[in-house]
Amino acid sequence: GAVVSQHPSRVICKSGTSVKIECRSLDFQATTMFWYRQFPKQSLMLMATSNEGSKATYEQGVEKDKFLINHASLTLSTLTVTSAHPEDSSFYICSARDGGVGDLKQYFGPGTRLTVT
Amino acid sequence: GQQVMQIPQYQHVQEGEDFTTYCNSSTTLSNIQWYKQRPGGHPVFLIQLVKSGEVKKQKRLTFQFGEAKKNSSLHITATQTTDVGTYFCAARKNAGGTSYGKLTFGQGTILTVHP
Repeated sequence: GAVVSQHPSRVICKSGTSVKIECRSLDFQATTMFWYRQFPKQSLMLMATSNEGSKATYEQGVEKDKFLINHASLTLSTLTVTSAHPEDSSFYICSARDGGVGDLKQYFGPGTRLTVT
Repeated sequence: GQQVMQIPQYQHVQEGEDFTTYCNSSTTLSNIQWYKQRPGGHPVFLIQLVKSGEVKKQKRLTFQFGEAKKNSSLHITATQTTDVGTYFCAARKNAGGTSYGKLTFGQGTILTVHP
């Protein structure tokens, strides 16, 4: 099956700094990738849809200037958490779709656990 | 917006007992997907249901899509300790435009299995 990688798997940063998370589709091209955030024992909340070569589409309530998304190639999307604060500590997961219009199956990356001190 | 309600939130069973989680939507769904997330892991795709009344089986797992395409269930027969994890249903948001392919996840059901 399709493989999605994420880097780093864990990161601890100080409040006020920025953190970049990479999401890569290893064996397929993904024109669309999705970024989710998951708090402990809660569901996945979609933050934004990352479209290759165009601006990301953010969900309501997600600050686009705080969570910068870049999808520069068909295999890489990055999420940068700018000026991180402790409340940004969470599990960030990306996913990508493999296949044509009819295939909505999503493959998830292993996630990045962000801790802001 | 579209919401998918999933129950129960938690389920504790003895090994060998059956387990069922349910998803309900107030609107008709195009399709529904199920994912499993092990503790500390990421969601893994299990199955996608598309047709009204569809039933699919994967070994001890049985997935159903309601006739009205507004509800779905996942049933595990004779649970094993390897079944531990959180099970999520996910439904596609409205088709078209930049919304295409976006999934709305249910709250998830956390399953624990006591040996």
